[in-house]
Amino acid sequence: DAKTTQPPSMDCAEGRAANLPCNHSTISGNEYVYWYRQIHSQGPQYIIHGLKNNETNEMASLIITEDRKSSTLILPHATLRDTAVYYCIVSKGGTSYGKLTFGQGTILTVHP
Amino acid sequence: EAGVAQSPRYKIIEKRQSVAFWCNPISGHATLYWYQQILGQGPKLLIQFQNNGVVDDSQLPKDRFSAERLKGVDSTLKIQPAKLEDSAVYLCASSLWAGRNTGELFFGEGSRLTVL
Repeated sequence: DAKTTQPPSMDCAEGRAANLPCNHSTISGNEYVYWYRQIHSQGPQYIIHGLKNNETNEMASLIITEDRKSSTLILPHATLRDTAVYYCIVSKGGTSYGKLTFGQGTILTVHP
Repeated sequence: EAGVAQSPRYKIIEKRQSVAFWCNPISGHATLYWYQQILGQGPKLLIQFQNNGVVDDSQLPKDRFSAERLKGVDSTLKIQPAKLEDSAVYLCASSLWAGRNTGELFFGEGSRLTVL
């Protein structure tokens, strides 16, 4: 699976949009981009995933560049409860699905 | 909908002792995973089951770790004998059939192991 690069930490003011970048320059054509987050002392929580097109759900939006070498997770109106470690993962689907290789992630701190 | 259940939440043992962790996945989820998360690191996959068969156990230290999912539902992860470096949170996750890429793994809260 392709490796990802994320900034180690980011800050965001409550109510503002949080934009979390991820670089995955070696992604292959059949690999998806997944985002998970982990709030302290809890298991990781799925946020969103995509292949080529931008995706949006009730939690976030995922913007994937046209060359697929990078992506951005957008939390449109961050709250204090969004403080967590955010993991960007690339992984194949099919029977490899679920074999997620987590990196260090980005620690997002949302402050009042 | 009930989530992934794990027990115990916390366990403290001496090195060379044995320990077992239990996981009950979400009802209907055919695929079950065990991940190990060492403090300050991201989770690492140990083993993946599809129903009661092993799909991937390439990162499971088989000299001391074992896992089973006998009836294709709940699962047990055992460590025997434990080493200091096994101190970690053991996370269980489940998903619908791996062949359908739904994109979502559901994780339990984890079992925190401390080896003294």
